[in-house]
Amino acid sequence: DTEVTQTPKHLVMGMTNKKSLKCEQHMGHRAMYWYKQKAKKPPELMFVYSYEKLSINESVPSRFSPECPNSSLLNLHLHALQPEDSALYLCASSQDTGYTFGSGTRLTVV
Amino acid sequence: GEDVEQSLFLSVREGDSSVINCTYTDSSSTYLYWYKQEPGAGLQLLTYIFSNMDMKQDQRLTVLLNKKDKHLSLRIADTQTGDSAIYFCAYQRDTGFQKLVFGTGTRLLVSP
Repeated sequence: DTEVTQTPKHLVMGMTNKKSLKCEQHMGHRAMYWYKQKAKKPPELMFVYSYEKLSINESVPSRFSPECPNSSLLNLHLHALQPEDSALYLCASSQDTGYTFGSGTRLTVV
Repeated sequence: GEDVEQSLFLSVREGDSSVINCTYTDSSSTYLYWYKQEPGAGLQLLTYIFSNMDMKQDQRLTVLLNKKDKHLSLRIADTQTGDSAIYFCAYQRDTGFQKLVFGTGTRLLVSP
């Protein structure tokens, strides 16, 4: 298995909702990442987990809460989001060089 | 700094070669990557090069690195319509679990 799987592929949520994005990989990679990508822009790093511990938080607002239950899973919990948080959320994993990205969750906040 | 610049747009005819350029400012970049993103999709790693290399060839793809000028390029030979996508260069400073810094992206359009 050489893939990073993200669910759901699309999500529409209201500003008072709580939802979670999920990411899974079975390549034995020990680092997992969340990136945010706005339309026509490059991805921007949000969080890095290495060996299941949060190692980098790029000053992300607390309405985004990451969780790494085990070495294969990465979640992003969403609460009280704003319309400007609408974007493509990409998960990635890596071991040494070469990040593998998932196909993303396209999030729309209404 | 982390600035990584790419030209916004490139248009070529099918069968021609495409050259996508990337300039960066961080001299401590160790690994440099090229990713492809098709509409509505995630990023696909195309190739990468270590900073101690000048060139890497992989089938239709040739990567050139000029470390002195901090310039990276991706040449696609015999470009096909299926190559139409956005191409991002990216770098990381070291091995391990470091952030990838992405360029601004180049939209490649291949016409028949």
